[in-house]
Amino acid sequence: QVQLVQSGAEVKKPGASVKVSCKASGYTFTNYGISWVRQAPGQGLEWMGWISSYNANTNYAQKFQGRVTMTTDTSTNTSYMELRSLRSDDTAVYYCARDHVGSQLHDEGIEYWGQGTLVTVSS
Amino acid sequence: DIQMTQSPSSLSASVGDRVTITCRASQNIRSYLSWYHQKPGKAPNLLIYAASSLQSGVPSRFSGSGSGTDFTLTISSLQREDLGTYYCQQRYISPITFGQGTRLEIK
Repeated sequence: QVQLVQSGAEVKKPGASVKVSCKASGYTFTNYGISWVRQAPGQGLEWMGWISSYNANTNYAQKFQGRVTMTTDTSTNTSYMELRSLRSDDTAVYYCARDHVGSQLHDEGIEYWGQGTLVTVSS
Repeated sequence: DIQMTQSPSSLSASVGDRVTITCRASQNIRSYLSWYHQKPGKAPNLLIYAASSLQSGVPSRFSGSGSGTDFTLTISSLQREDLGTYYCQQRYISPITFGQGTRLEIK
């Protein structure tokens, strides 16, 4: 069965960086991409960006351009999301989700999600 | 960015009620719309994609309709396990955007 298992909770100080991992299993990793979505406490869902697991093409939301890097390691079927220059309003649960391999723009939804990783930014 | 506006923001209904949630896009998104249900502490669960296609395994009491800018999610007979927050999502133009959510409580 398809599984996306994320790394554990993190506590970071303002200005630091965090790198969240998302290990995939149960499907051919390079046939899909990964989107990252975050959710601040008590708030709604916010899409951060997408990476193709096939060719590592990326598309980031403008809001995160310059602060986020998404990478993929096909040898371990793992995707990573690094967010730099953390601020208190980056405190959120970060989700990875299986997406299309060629683009994040399509008429299908996201069926498979990771369990979420809580990142807390506090001095 | 395309703004997705859901209404109502919250509602309370009884088991067996018919419930309707609407989602309006700030510009035409054709049928590139999905609906999700999220329970506290859990990842979202896909209900509907392509505006009206029922995701495999989702109960048939859920249905979606609409195209262009106006969309609707309907629960034909509310069950207790349907409580939580519902989100619409557009995937037509980047960045992908979500509605602000509709919190559904059971009376």
